Amino acid sequence: AQSVTQLDSHVSVSEGTPVLLRCNYSSSYSPSLFWYVQHPNKGLQLLLKYTSAATLVKGINGFEAEFKKSETSFHLTKPSAHMSDAAEYFCVVSRSGGYNKLIFGAGTRLAVHP
Amino acid sequence: KAGVTQTPRYLIKTRGQQVTLSCSPISGHRSVSWYQQTPGQGLQFLFEYFSETQRNKGNFPGRFSGRQFSNSRSEMNVSTLELGDSALYLCASSLGRTGDSYEQYFGPGTRLTVT
Repeated sequence: AQSVTQLDSHVSVSEGTPVLLRCNYSSSYSPSLFWYVQHPNKGLQLLLKYTSAATLVKGINGFEAEFKKSETSFHLTKPSAHMSDAAEYFCVVSRSGGYNKLIFGAGTRLAVHP
Repeated sequence: KAGVTQTPRYLIKTRGQQVTLSCSPISGHRSVSWYQQTPGQGLQFLFEYFSETQRNKGNFPGRFSGRQFSNSRSEMNVSTLELGDSALYLCASSLGRTGDSYEQYFGPGTRLTVT
């Protein structure tokens, strides 16, 4: 079985400060992990993915995430928040090997204040 | 390349009716997955089609069904609509080959309201 827990439902930061969105996962299989972002009234956009290569994964728009197997975590970070980063972020797990069933976390709503 | 397209974007239906939603994947993608997004349950996997065959299925009742055509376009159908079926239905496409995890690309969704 697989599951994802996003530890914060809401995160608020000031523009220019670091962003940390926390995610823990559980998987009976070797996992693939993803972060997706959803802006209001828009579909989901892939930020980055981990598929058993490098544990530090770089994504789009300056985001990165580190896979820590010992902690079963896959936290998303960004050094400096921008107003346009305000959105909902989803941590997602699937079984590696081309299985296309994605298991989503509940989401973290990121607010960025000027 | 054009992205994933979904039609219609908005729908209003009455309880007991049925509805069909359509999804056109990115050219060359053979896998289409469907997800339901609601405020209470979040994003949940409905099913995945690959080469016209259902390959994975989530925990939804049989009122939810789908199919895929030879050009990889997919439809999902919900029969005997209930108020709780009101949701954003998202379609995602991917290359779908096994042996690796290919990222899924999502469409803008169809907002279904059941009254």
